[in-house]
Amino acid sequence: SQELEQSPQSLIVQEGKNLTINCTSSKTLYGLYWYKQKYGEGLIFLMMLQKGGEEKSHEKITAKLDEKKQQSSLHITASQPSHAGIYLCGADSGPRGFEGKLTFGQGTILTVHP
Amino acid sequence: GAVVSQHPSRVICKSGTSVKIECRSLDFQATTMFWYRQFPKQSLMLMATSNEGSKATYEQGVEKDKFLINHASLTLSTLTVTSAHPEDSSFYICSARDLFRLVNEQFFGPGTRLTVL
Repeated sequence: SQELEQSPQSLIVQEGKNLTINCTSSKTLYGLYWYKQKYGEGLIFLMMLQKGGEEKSHEKITAKLDEKKQQSSLHITASQPSHAGIYLCGADSGPRGFEGKLTFGQGTILTVHP
Repeated sequence: GAVVSQHPSRVICKSGTSVKIECRSLDFQATTMFWYRQFPKQSLMLMATSNEGSKATYEQGVEKDKFLINHASLTLSTLTVTSAHPEDSSFYICSARDLFRLVNEQFFGPGTRLTVL
């Protein structure tokens, strides 16, 4: 079965600093999702990557998928307290790659101090 | 983005009772919805795939007779936890994919916190 390893497990930064969260897969990633979760709440969709080398940005968040499609990174520029939360990477674990059955990493807890 | 709702947001019940959780796609149609469970400080684990008009498929280790899933329409899936026990206490989250979107984005509901006394 596919396993996703996120690093770091937790991150504390000062407001305005840049940060990167990594997600490494034991298998080739056919669909890699990034979500943000506040504790006890649902998941907010951030981005989805499919192609090797793909990069997407939304506001101050950029996600990349490496050429080999086994590692993804999420980069936040000039972090703000509103960025605080749990970041989860998820990968489609279906045999055909896009069945929607997601396996998740353990999450990265981000704290941003004002 | 597409909106998925869940009801109730939290429920407390006595051991042995059954609890129904609804998952609705509000502004799109979804032939497939997914049910996940999240224990405290853990990540989400897929429980089952809910297919409109057909039987749900369950992940290994998930009891289909205990977690009944019904996907009666393109916008509604329900999860019923039957004869709930304290170990079933968890955060249940559903997700759905837009049937007509070309991109395989998947949207999650806000979750339902179940506490079984």
